[in-house]
Amino acid sequence: QITLKESGPTLVKPTQTLTLTCTFSGFSLSTSGVGVGWIRQPPGKALEWLALIYWDDDERYSPSLKSRLTITEDTSKNQVVLTMTNMDPVDTATYFCARMYGYRYDYWGQGTLVTVSS
Amino acid sequence: QSALTQPASVSGSPGQSITISCTGSGSDIGSYALVSWYQHHPGKAPKLIIFDVSQRPSGVSNRFSGSKSGNTASLTISGLQAEDEADYYCCSYAGTSTYVIFGGGTKVTVL
Repeated sequence: QITLKESGPTLVKPTQTLTLTCTFSGFSLSTSGVGVGWIRQPPGKALEWLALIYWDDDERYSPSLKSRLTITEDTSKNQVVLTMTNMDPVDTATYFCARMYGYRYDYWGQGTLVTVSS
Repeated sequence: QSALTQPASVSGSPGQSITISCTGSGSDIGSYALVSWYQHHPGKAPKLIIFDVSQRPSGVSNRFSGSKSGNTASLTISGLQAEDEADYYCCSYAGTSTYVIFGGGTKVTVL
C-alpha cells in the first residue's frame, strides 16, 4: 500500500523559510522512473506544480518559483523535503506531495495547510 | 507559462454525459501525449483518473474517458453520478523547461 504524508509548520511569518517534509511508504525512490513532487493549492484556487525529484536525483522546478525552491531526498528515511524561501502571504496554500511515475501523479498525500501571516 | 485553460464549471443531470475541455498550446498538450486528469473532492487527496491522454488506472470507473485533438485535451464523464461532483484538473508535460503545467480546474455539479 502506497501512502504519502506531508508535515511541517501550519503558520509561518512573511520572509521566513518554509520547510515541508513528505514521508512516504510502499515504494522506493531508488526505483527507476519514480519521482516525488510537490503541488500546492491556494484557498479557492487551482493546483500549481512546484517541484519534483527523481530516483536519479534529477531535480525539476517551476520556472516562476525556481529561485525560492529546493527539493531534496533522504532515501534512507523515505522522505522528500521541500524548502521555500522568502515566504509571502500569497504563498498561503495547501501543499501536497505526490508520487510521480511516467509523468503522472498516481498517489497523493492529504495535504497540509500552510498560512503565511505576521 | 500560463495554466492550461479549463471551463470554470460544467453541470449535468444524473445519467447524462459531460465533457471538460483543457486547452493548452503547441508547447505542451500539442506536443506530448502526456495529459493526465485528476478528480479532487475538497479536503481530500486528488485522485488520478486518466493518464497518457486516455489511459485509466486500475480501479477507475470506465465512465471516465480521455482524448486529445491538437492543443486540446478532453475528459468525458458518462452516466453522471452524484459522487462525480468534484473539481477536475488536467495536467500536461510541457517540455524540459516548464516541465509540468496544471489546468485552472473545473467544478462539476450534478444537478
